[in-house]
Amino acid sequence: AQSVTQPDIHITVSEGASLELRCNYSYGATPYLFWYVQSPGQGLQLLLKYFSGDTLVQGIKGFEAEFKRSQSSFNLRKPSVHWSDAAEYFCAVGQISGGYNKLIFGAGTRLAVHP
Amino acid sequence: ETGVTQTPRHLVMGMTNKKSLKCEQHLGHNAMYWYKQSAKKPLELMFVYNFKEQTENNSVPSRFSPECPNSSHLFLHLHTLQPEDSALYLCASSQVEGNTEAFFGQGTRLTVV
Repeated sequence: AQSVTQPDIHITVSEGASLELRCNYSYGATPYLFWYVQSPGQGLQLLLKYFSGDTLVQGIKGFEAEFKRSQSSFNLRKPSVHWSDAAEYFCAVGQISGGYNKLIFGAGTRLAVHP
Repeated sequence: ETGVTQTPRHLVMGMTNKKSLKCEQHLGHNAMYWYKQSAKKPLELMFVYNFKEQTENNSVPSRFSPECPNSSHLFLHLHTLQPEDSALYLCASSQVEGNTEAFFGQGTRLTVV
């Protein structure tokens, strides 16, 4: 069965520091991978997605993620964090089946940013 | 504006009440979803509608009843809920054809008292 693991429940970084959020997945076929961000009291906003092609994908707000098949990972990175990046981040694997996108989410990583 | 609108944003209901959550998408999508987000638990897929037909029901209790009258609207009818049903309920939509992501609404924060 598909699953997503986000090993870090909470991460705290200083503003301006680099960031890497880890995501590991378990999926038998070529995965469709997503990173979403959720601010308090809000829904989920897509940061970036990987379907095929270049394994380094660029997203919104200066985020990028790298798909590494050998490690079953899809880690999210940002070179310099801003205070407004404080939020919860969710990695998801998608299965396109029966004409819809069934997303399996990780438990999320809550990011705090110190000034 | 995400293109997916949920109402109400907040709802407090007693265990004997009947209420409905509404979701409307303005993106021309033809698949719609209900997710449940509880504290300390991953997002759980509840229901999927594909071209207005329910294609997935993830063992959701019958006190939750979805309705999809057309491809733009999705409802979740609630009755005789339990306190453990308190959660953020998220609606999402996507396009069936091709590889596309799901777009989420802002959610309805439900509290059952």
